[in-house]
Amino acid sequence: NAGVMQNPRHLVRRRGQEARLRCSPMKGHSHVYWYRQLPEEGLKFMVYLQKENIIDESGMPKERFSAEFPKEGPSILRIQQVVRGDSAAYFCASSGTSGISDTQYFGPGTRLTVL
Amino acid sequence: DQQVKQNSPSLSVQEGRISILNCDYTNSMFDYFLWYKKYPAEGPTFLISISSIKDKNEDGRFTVFLNKSAKHLSLHIVPSQPGDSAVYFCAASDRATDSWGKFQFGAGTQVVVTP
Repeated sequence: NAGVMQNPRHLVRRRGQEARLRCSPMKGHSHVYWYRQLPEEGLKFMVYLQKENIIDESGMPKERFSAEFPKEGPSILRIQQVVRGDSAAYFCASSGTSGISDTQYFGPGTRLTVL
Repeated sequence: DQQVKQNSPSLSVQEGRISILNCDYTNSMFDYFLWYKKYPAEGPTFLISISSIKDKNEDGRFTVFLNKSAKHLSLHIVPSQPGDSAVYFCAASDRATDSWGKFQFGAGTQVVVTP
């Protein structure tokens, strides 16, 4: 009974490169959420996706960041032309439904370091 | 705009004693609150939740208290155990606006339980 899986666990990029973070939700879950945790801060919501649809991206930076959750395969958070300020832990969560009471299960996170 | 605040970055408590974690919020529309627990190198794990129609919810050693007039909630852990040493995040949501479960997180409180 695999939980939420994220890879890679650690990612190092140089400024200007692209970062791709992957998230496989729990089996049977079709709702995916991405959060970012900057050093010394709490988790900040970025985007909520269902299969093939972005439901709420109000937390996504307007430029360089994009997310998708295709019909097949994992959800991808893509950061183009990374800058040092993008260094953070990126967490993905999934739930079985979108109800407020439905628990979001988190993955272990991807730690992005931008040199 | 930090709408959920955990003003104590750390808390040290002796094993067997009570741990009390505090959380304040500014948005009076928040009506659903959760606590998550996070170990190093892992994602947050759901601990306990409370709806604004209640002022207390209990689950084993964990009790959450909600004071709506003060916009304050607290998590009590009793008795504290070494395995409780972790970072605890408070989260809140406005179900009328964000019915799908968009949470605002506090910055977290590091709890250390000493023998």
